[in-house]
Amino acid sequence: DAGVIQSPRHEVTEMGQEVTLRCKPISGHDYLFWYRQTMMRGLELLIYFNNNVPIDDSGMPEDRFSAKMPNASFSTLKIQPSEPRDSAVYFCASSPTWGAHEKLFFGSGTQLSVL
Amino acid sequence: DAKTTQPTSMDCAEGRAANLPCNHSTISGNEYVYWYRQIHSQGPQYIIHGLKNNETNEMASLIITEDRKSSTLILPHATLRDTAVYYCITGYGGSQGNLIFGKGTKLSVKP
Repeated sequence: DAGVIQSPRHEVTEMGQEVTLRCKPISGHDYLFWYRQTMMRGLELLIYFNNNVPIDDSGMPEDRFSAKMPNASFSTLKIQPSEPRDSAVYFCASSPTWGAHEKLFFGSGTQLSVL
Repeated sequence: DAKTTQPTSMDCAEGRAANLPCNHSTISGNEYVYWYRQIHSQGPQYIIHGLKNNETNEMASLIITEDRKSSTLILPHATLRDTAVYYCITGYGGSQGNLIFGKGTKLSVKP
């Protein structure tokens, strides 16, 4: 398996523009997670899905952020409009069915720079 | 906030064992101890987890004290590729969505 695939690897945009980050989880994994990592705040959970349904979005910073999972093999995280403080590395992770022995598998991340 | 305390940084000589400590004095009886690491410019990678007993896999060993208030991750023969930030996390079984990654320990393996 190719692992969790994220695109783009790097994104540079201007303030006010819409940004869409993409994620393909590992086939067969029921859970998908979006994280954000900054130097100041470390790794933060934004939202996670189970069987394509959002379970907990309490980590989404504000209404400018939205996430969707239209099917089991694809998810997007959208920021509209983007702001410089959104600059961070965004990670997608997936996990098999719920249980103590399940692991998170992370993608390589998207480095977002908002100018 | 993270429920664990780890040293900010550690050094280790290549080929020697790296012992990374973690304090989790408020851990509950049903909470597991998880270890992940993050190599520069990559996503975090699962290493190992345990509840009460010591655990070993192909990557590392996990030693949990009898009172479960602390643990040590052991990389038996550290290589340069083990240079990374190591995160110690506690959480309930099935709590993938609630794992809180703290600051971790920056391990530098030196030749």
